[in-house]
Amino acid sequence: KNQVEQSPQSLIILEGKNCTLQCNYTVSPFSNLRWYKQDTGRGPVSLTIMTFSENTKSNGRYTATLDADTKQSSLHITASQLSDSASYICVVNVDNAGKSTFGDGTTLTVKP
Amino acid sequence: NAGVMQNPRHLVRRRGQEARLRCSPMKGHSHVYWYRQLPEEGLKFMVYLQKENIIDESGMPKERFSAEFPKEGPSILRIQQVVRGDSAAYFCASSPRRGNQPQHFGDGTRLSIL
Repeated sequence: KNQVEQSPQSLIILEGKNCTLQCNYTVSPFSNLRWYKQDTGRGPVSLTIMTFSENTKSNGRYTATLDADTKQSSLHITASQLSDSASYICVVNVDNAGKSTFGDGTTLTVKP
Repeated sequence: NAGVMQNPRHLVRRRGQEARLRCSPMKGHSHVYWYRQLPEEGLKFMVYLQKENIIDESGMPKERFSAEFPKEGPSILRIQQVVRGDSAAYFCASSPRRGNQPQHFGDGTRLSIL
């Protein structure tokens, strides 16, 4: 069973709208959590990275939150653009070991 | 400053042949990670290497798969006697060191087995 669960599996929104993607994890011990954006046919690109002590981190229109107590993270996208259409992947790192556990991603489609 | 370079981008092999996938990390990065992404699935960790050393290969199938990261040259993921189930996208990522540094990914090699 995957230790990083993302929801929803897919999401369609209209351009200009906001959305929030969820990530729940059971991976332990926790080192850091990253959100990636993966465009079709491309490799993942890092959006944010948060350690245990960080609750929120922003990168432009992307804001990630982390609740280490409930082991939940969210990625909020503001004022969506067509170019935001991609798969968004939550990745949890264990103990600085370099080994990462990936969620299966949320596929976001932004329509005009 | 070039990113992580993978080649070839697409590779077609017949069952039983060998596949060699190459990954050149970002300049100055000595840590390389390989991942496999099956169609409609997420990325799965395969192996983590540092120059001339395999640090963690817990995600690598026990047979037919091997990886190396020599002192000079790119990292190589080698798949011997390929089968249809090996068809996937294989991604490489690099990092200057362990820990919190974001991993920079290449654009992958898409392996198709006929």
